[in-house]
Amino acid sequence: ETGVTQSPTHLIKTRGQQVTLRCSSQSGHNTVSWYQQALGQGPQFIFQYYREEENGRGNFPPRFSGLQFPNYSSELNVNALELDDSALYLCASSPAPMYNEQFFGPGTRLTVL
Amino acid sequence: AQTVTQSQPEMSVQEAETVTLSCTYDTSENNYYLFWYKQPPSRQMILVIRQEAYKQQNATENRFSVNFQKAAKSFSLKISDSQLGDTAMYFCAFMKHQGAQKLVFGQGTRLTINP
Repeated sequence: ETGVTQSPTHLIKTRGQQVTLRCSSQSGHNTVSWYQQALGQGPQFIFQYYREEENGRGNFPPRFSGLQFPNYSSELNVNALELDDSALYLCASSPAPMYNEQFFGPGTRLTVL
Repeated sequence: AQTVTQSQPEMSVQEAETVTLSCTYDTSENNYYLFWYKQPPSRQMILVIRQEAYKQQNATENRFSVNFQKAAKSFSLKISDSQLGDTAMYFCAFMKHQGAQKLVFGQGTRLTINP
């Protein structure tokens, strides 16, 4: 059984640019959640996707957007990057929206200069 | 809104000792889940233990156990016979029983196990 994978591992962008991060959910999982983890902090919920629809959103501006594909993989897009967007972005999948455990990927480290 | 507080930014113990990590939370929900996650230097978040709020019995997983005090909104993690591989950041997290499956995390405790 393949776990959650994320790409790329690391990414460096400059302020104002746009970035796309990718996540492949664990086999059999149809729900994907994204979290932002700033240095020295706990992760913060960005949004969740279930069967290609957004199924909940945290306190993040609209320049943070996402997609989920028919194979349940997902993308996180961030437009107009700001310095404060520098963080570890974690993707987590689960078999269903109400399942009480999330399985995390290794994350993408984004640095905005 | 729910909040989770971990008041110990760092802890350090000797191998084989027992250590307890503290967590308090605030919620008006009656049914919910509480978790302890471990994040080693590899960055991957790993579930250590889970507690369902409606269960009075404290959860245990091998060397890991919790002390869940619902009225006090307290959820501490005890690690017995600590091992070098337990060195990691530990996060306490809350999830409502219904609605979007959103984890609310505390700020974490950095635990170091010394040989």
